[in-house]
Formats: sequence, structure tokens, C-alpha cells
Amino acid sequence: DVQLLQSGPEVRKPETVLKISCKVSGYTFTDHYMYWVRQAPGKGLEWMGLVDPEDGEVIYAARFQGRASIVADTSTDTLYMELTRLTSEDTAMYYCATAPTYCSSTTCYRVLHYWGQGTLVSVSS
Amino acid sequence: DIQLTQSPSFLSASVGDGVTITCRASQDISSYLAWYQQKPGKAPKLLIYGASILQSGVPSRFSGSGSGTEFTLTINSLQPEDFATYYCQYLNTYFSTFGQGSKVDVK
Repeated sequence: DVQLLQSGPEVRKPETVLKISCKVSGYTFTDHYMYWVRQAPGKGLEWMGLVDPEDGEVIYAARFQGRASIVADTSTDTLYMELTRLTSEDTAMYYCATAPTYCSSTTCYRVLHYWGQGTLVSVSS
Repeated sequence: DIQLTQSPSFLSASVGDGVTITCRASQDISSYLAWYQQKPGKAPKLLIYGASILQSGVPSRFSGSGSGTEFTLTINSLQPEDFATYYCQYLNTYFSTFGQGSKVDVK
């Protein structure tokens, strides 16, 4: 079974750094892109970025460019996300997700099929 | 960047009702749209991808349609376990975005 096991809850002060992890099992880590998605309390889902574990290529959502760093460690099948210069607006549940590709007869689609359990992050002075 | 707008944001319904949620894209996204269900305190669950392809194991009362800029998620005969928040998502190789969500609660 595919499992994504995320690190535990974190409390940080503003202007500090956060680093959370997502340990993958049940499939070959380099087979599928991986994503980070966050959700502020009572709010919707927000895509942060993605990584291709096979070659390490990373794409960030515009608002996180320069502040987020996503790394896929193929030696431990673990995904990491570091976020700097934290503010209270970074208080959220952070999810990792695996994105396999599923194909119809004509088109292939990458989908966020498997999700971690979430890491709750609180930023407060 | 492509934006997705869902409507309605909130919907009250009863068990047995039919429910339709719309997702509009700011530009043509072909059929690269997925729908997710999220319950409180849980990670989202994939329901539909490719605008209309039902994910394995998802009940057939869920269906999706549309292409281009307008998409719909339909739930036929709402069941108690369907009260949740639903999100549409566009995902391509280098970008992704979600709609703001549509909460279906008990009337």
C-alpha cells in the first residue's frame, strides 16, 4: 500500500524557518511527481510547489518562489519542504501528495491520488 | 495564471437530493480538471480526473462533465457521507491551482 507519513506538528515564531518531511513507501519514489499543498484554518487548498524526484526539478507557485525550498531525497524516499521568513499567515495544515499519471484512451492526467496525513504548523510570537 | 472559480461556495441539501457544483476556468484547460472531496480534519480524496473519469472505488452517484472552461460535479441522491467540501483542481506539468471550494451541508 502507498503510504505518505508526514512529520509531526510544529510551532514557530515569526521570521524563523520551518522544515517538514514526508516519508514515502509502497511504490518507487522516483516514479511520480510529488506536491506540497497547504490549507489555512477554515480556508481552501493552496498549491505550493512540486518536484520530480527522478531529476530533482522543482517548480514553485509564484507566491512561494524565493521563500520555499522543496527537496526529494531519493536515498531515504523522503520529501522535504523548507519555508523561510515565516509569518502568522503561514499557519496552516501542510500536506504532501503523490501524483501518479492516469491515462484514458486519448490523454494522460497527473492527479493527486495519495496524500499524507498533514502536518499542522502554527506561527505565533 | 489560470484561475478556477467554483459556485456555489455553500450549498444546503438533504439526503436523497441531487447536487451540482460548477467550476469555471479563466482560460481553456481542455479536460485537465479533477475533483476532490474533503471532510473536516482529513486530507482531500480524489473523486474524478480528466473532467469526467471516475476514480476507482468512488461511488457511481458522483459524475463529472465539461471541457474547456466550464465543468460540473454532480452528486445523484446525496448520501450522509457526502456532506463535505468539494474542490476542483487544474494540474499540468508545471502549474496547479484549486478552486475556492464548495461546502455541501445538511439542510
